[in-house]
Amino acid sequence: AQSVTQLGSHVSVSEGALVLLRCNYSSSVPPYLFWYVQYPNQGLQLLLKYTSAATLVKGINGFEAEFKKSETSFHLTKPSAHMSDAAEYFCAVSDRSVTQGGSEKLVFGKGMKLTVNP
Amino acid sequence: KAGVTQTPRYLIKTRGQQVTLSCSPISGHRSVSWYQQTPGQGLQFLFEYFSETQRNKGNFPGRFSGRQFSNSRSEMNVSTLELGDSALYLCASQGLAGARTTDTQYFGPGTRLTVL
Repeated sequence: AQSVTQLGSHVSVSEGALVLLRCNYSSSVPPYLFWYVQYPNQGLQLLLKYTSAATLVKGINGFEAEFKKSETSFHLTKPSAHMSDAAEYFCAVSDRSVTQGGSEKLVFGKGMKLTVNP
Repeated sequence: KAGVTQTPRYLIKTRGQQVTLSCSPISGHRSVSWYQQTPGQGLQFLFEYFSETQRNKGNFPGRFSGRQFSNSRSEMNVSTLELGDSALYLCASQGLAGARTTDTQYFGPGTRLTVL
């Protein structure tokens, strides 16, 4: 079964500093990987996705992630943090079921709360 | 295009009651998935509906059920509410690429259920 691991639950950076959020995956098939962001009292917003095309994926709000098969990783980065980046970030892998008509469920990591200090 | 909408946004119920939550997917999307988000368990998959049929189900008790209508709107129902059912319930929709659903799920704002 597919799974993702986000180590730690909180990360704090200074405004203008590099943001690095780690995600490692486990998958028996070539994975589809996603990063979502959740602002307080809101749903999940898609930041970016990897679906077996380019290994370096660019997303919204200046975020990008690199798929590294050898390291089973899909870390999220942003060169310069902004106060508005403060939110919770979730890495997810798509568990695509051949036996259930192609149904896809997302398996999420525990999430990482990002704090940006002025 | 309007996004995924969920109603109501907030609900307060007492133990033993039942509740129905509603989700309207993005226009043209035929797949609707439901997830439960709690501080302890994180985000967990409940079930997925496609063309009015449940295609996939997570590991939740039978008190959790759902359905999908011909216009792709979906409802989920929780009967005999327990304190542990307090959570944010998120709905997500997926479009079609040919005969299959696309790879991306778009989420609604969620319904915050509090069970007292």
